[in-house]
Amino acid sequence: GEDVEQSLFLSVREGDSSVINCTYTDSSSTYLYWYKQEPGAGLQLLTYIFSNMDMKQDQRLTVLLNKKDKHLSLRIADTQTGDSAIYFCAESAYNQGGKLIFGQGTELSVKP
Amino acid sequence: GAVVSQHPSRVICKSGTSVKIECRSLDFQATTMFWYRQFPKQSLMLMATSNEGSKATYEQGVEKDKFLINHASLTLSTLTVTSAHPEDSSFYICSASFAADYGYTFGSGTRLTVV
Repeated sequence: GEDVEQSLFLSVREGDSSVINCTYTDSSSTYLYWYKQEPGAGLQLLTYIFSNMDMKQDQRLTVLLNKKDKHLSLRIADTQTGDSAIYFCAESAYNQGGKLIFGQGTELSVKP
Repeated sequence: GAVVSQHPSRVICKSGTSVKIECRSLDFQATTMFWYRQFPKQSLMLMATSNEGSKATYEQGVEKDKFLINHASLTLSTLTVTSAHPEDSSFYICSASFAADYGYTFGSGTRLTVV
């Protein structure tokens, strides 16, 4: 079945770049997403990338997609303490009826 | 745009009672909404897909008689946890898609505690 994997924890210093990685198994994925979840809150869509793209940049966020290796990454430049949260990658595909398959989430801790 | 409102944000109920959670798309029409459940420190587990005007599609292992879903209009889906038990305590989140290339917008979630 479809599977999305992420490392569970990442710790960085304020001002450094953070790179959160994700691998997926479904080669028919059409869109891949990054969501941010703060404690006790819902999910905030950060960015997404269509499967025929290999890079997308949006202010401090850069998404890289290696479709051959089924690897997705999210780079956060100049990481701030307010970026501390759990980051989920997710994939969707036409053959999944539009539903999202989520990774386990990466807890990003930003130290001053 | 593309805001999904979920209510209530927190609810405490007694065992055996039922609880209704609402999910509204505020500025767009959503023919399909999704209901997820999240345990502490874990990922989101899709429970069911709610389709406007028809029956919901439940994921394997999710009891449809326990988790009743109603999607009566293009802007409202409800999840009712019937005869709640402490093991139903969890964080429930709904989502909807504004457009095929826009991504999925999530509600703020409902923390259900059954005592």
